[in-house]
Amino acid sequence: DGGITQSPKYLFRKEGQNVTLSCEQNLNHDAMYWYRQDPGQGLRLIYYSQIVNDFQKGDIAEGYSVSREKKESFPLTVTSAQKNPTAFYLCASSIDLGGPRYEQYFGPGTRLTVT
Amino acid sequence: AQTVTQSQPEMSVQEAETVTLSCTYDTSESDYYLFWYKQPPSRQMILVIRQEAYKQQNATENRFSVNFQKAAKSFSLKISDSQLGDAAMYFCAYRGFQGAQKLVFGQGTRLTINP
Repeated sequence: DGGITQSPKYLFRKEGQNVTLSCEQNLNHDAMYWYRQDPGQGLRLIYYSQIVNDFQKGDIAEGYSVSREKKESFPLTVTSAQKNPTAFYLCASSIDLGGPRYEQYFGPGTRLTVT
Repeated sequence: AQTVTQSQPEMSVQEAETVTLSCTYDTSESDYYLFWYKQPPSRQMILVIRQEAYKQQNATENRFSVNFQKAAKSFSLKISDSQLGDAAMYFCAYRGFQGAQKLVFGQGTRLTINP
């Protein structure tokens, strides 16, 4: 089955530690995205990537980093510089970033708790 | 910058009845896409319906339809014959037509279905 995989579903870390969230897709999509979701708020874009080895900051990129070494993979690192890292993180992908076939497909998400 | 506003944090409806969720947006662009996404308790984001701004005809997908009022910048979602499985958070989202445009989400509306 084609889709987007995010692992793990729940992640716990101590304050001051970096943590990397995994996102893998087998949809052969070019574009991939990371969103953050907090209670009572909609999704906010952290980073997005249109092509391998290229990515752009979204609205709330501070304290996060990404890489795009393979088309299928777009890991997100939450660094110790992120002041409020506890949140639900969603990864998404689409066929291309700006074309008409722009539907974004979402993964199941990772709930990160930092104490 | 584009903004999306959902003014109803919570809505409830009796099973088999019809409910309308409201969404307004602000943009200076003439061409764009609008979306409704559903997020059930599993937290998986699912595309419900999509509307292209250049199309005058309102989009319909089975029991889901929209009322798109471009001049008023309004994009409401109507769910007919509500079912228990429709219970979820519903997010309205905007995307510009040209270039590397991101999805901008509203804050969401929590829909409860009463049996």
